[in-house]
Amino acid sequence: KNEVEQSPQNLTAQEGEFITINCSYSVGISALHWLQQHPGGGIVSLFMLSSGKKKHGRLIATINIQEKHSSLHITASHPRDSAVYICAGPFVSKLTFGTGTRLQVTL
Amino acid sequence: KAGVTQTPRYLIKTRGQQVTLSCSPISGHRSVSWYQQTPGQGLQFLFEYFSETQRNKGNFPGRFSGRQFSNSRSEMNVSTLELGDSALYLCASSPRTQETQYFGPGTRLLVL
Repeated sequence: KNEVEQSPQNLTAQEGEFITINCSYSVGISALHWLQQHPGGGIVSLFMLSSGKKKHGRLIATINIQEKHSSLHITASHPRDSAVYICAGPFVSKLTFGTGTRLQVTL
Repeated sequence: KAGVTQTPRYLIKTRGQQVTLSCSPISGHRSVSWYQQTPGQGLQFLFEYFSETQRNKGNFPGRFSGRQFSNSRSEMNVSTLELGDSALYLCASSPRTQETQYFGPGTRLLVL
């Protein structure tokens, strides 16, 4: 059983739509990471957060420590946002990854 | 600053051989972590090094090993390769442990 669960697994949206990707985890963590992986494999770290909310451009990440839940929001989605989004938590100092959400944004 | 670099980028080996992958972290970063990504298992943690010491190890057999040098560069070695070792191997660096990680482009290993 994976300690980090993401939903949905796949998501298709039209350009301009507001997108939400959810991440739940089963044990306490010190911080949660959101990563973006484009076709070809390159991974970019989007956020690392331990409480509240962080915003970077059109991306917003929130976390609720009590509920063990985090969300990644993309406002005004664009085709260049098409990628796999992965959440990860350090469990006993080892990053454990969710299975990822594959996002496709169409024109 | 230059990003994390990994060499080689692509590698083809046969079963039973061994392989060494290299990772050069961002200048000033002392923590290096290694990950394996496969279509079936997704991303999995291999090990983490900080100041030449292995701090954590994932659930991989002893065929997987690594080390970190005094300049923070790291290598990982896989001995007696198996078909299932075919994967994208990613390294990531951070200034210290449990901080935002910066990923390299990965080494894609194919075992035939």
